[in-house]
Amino acid sequence: AQKITQTQPGMFVQEKEAVTLDCTYDTSDPSYGLFWYKQPSSGEMIFLIYQGSYDQQNATEGRYSLNFQKARKSANLVISASQLGDSAMYFCAMRGPGAGSYQLTFGKGTKLSVIP
Amino acid sequence: NAGVTQTPKFQVLKTGQSMTLQCAQDMNHEYMSWYRQDPGMGLRLIHYSVGAGITDQGEVPNGYNVSRSTTEDFPLRLLSAAPSQTSVYFCASSSPGLAGGTDTQYFGPGTRLTVL
Repeated sequence: AQKITQTQPGMFVQEKEAVTLDCTYDTSDPSYGLFWYKQPSSGEMIFLIYQGSYDQQNATEGRYSLNFQKARKSANLVISASQLGDSAMYFCAMRGPGAGSYQLTFGKGTKLSVIP
Repeated sequence: NAGVTQTPKFQVLKTGQSMTLQCAQDMNHEYMSWYRQDPGMGLRLIHYSVGAGITDQGEVPNGYNVSRSTTEDFPLRLLSAAPSQTSVYFCASSSPGLAGGTDTQYFGPGTRLTVL
């Protein structure tokens, strides 16, 4: 069975500083995908970044980057130059099992608060 | 494109009542799914569909039915609502990413359901 673990229930970061949100995963399948979603207080799920298990380079999308360490089974989200609008819940998720699966398994989330 | 739409946004039911949560997407995606989000639990997969006429169970399917008669629509039915089904429900859709491209799932805005 697949599992996603986010060990930080809440995080604080100063505005303009960088922050890392932790995510570890467990799967026996060699083919999987890892996602990060942002959920602001308004409730919608906003896709941030994706990393495939066979991707050689870490994914980047603007201020977001994914620190993918396959041997450690970790997929940490790094947000550079935090902004007040980054305050939200952040969820790590894994697609699988199997290359043709689109089922997502989510972690319990990390609540990020950006301090002015 | 409207993306993924869900109706209603809010709903209050009494125990034992039935209702259907609607979900539609206009992106011609093959894959659609339903998740529920409870406090402290992240999102959990209820049912999913890999195409018209094909559905399968996710992690928490009990008490819910689905059908997929068209590519665009994927309704979720509660046959006899229970207080344990009080939750926020999200519909999502996706299509296989191009090789080397970004894989993602698009979420609807959610339906907040309360069962009294």
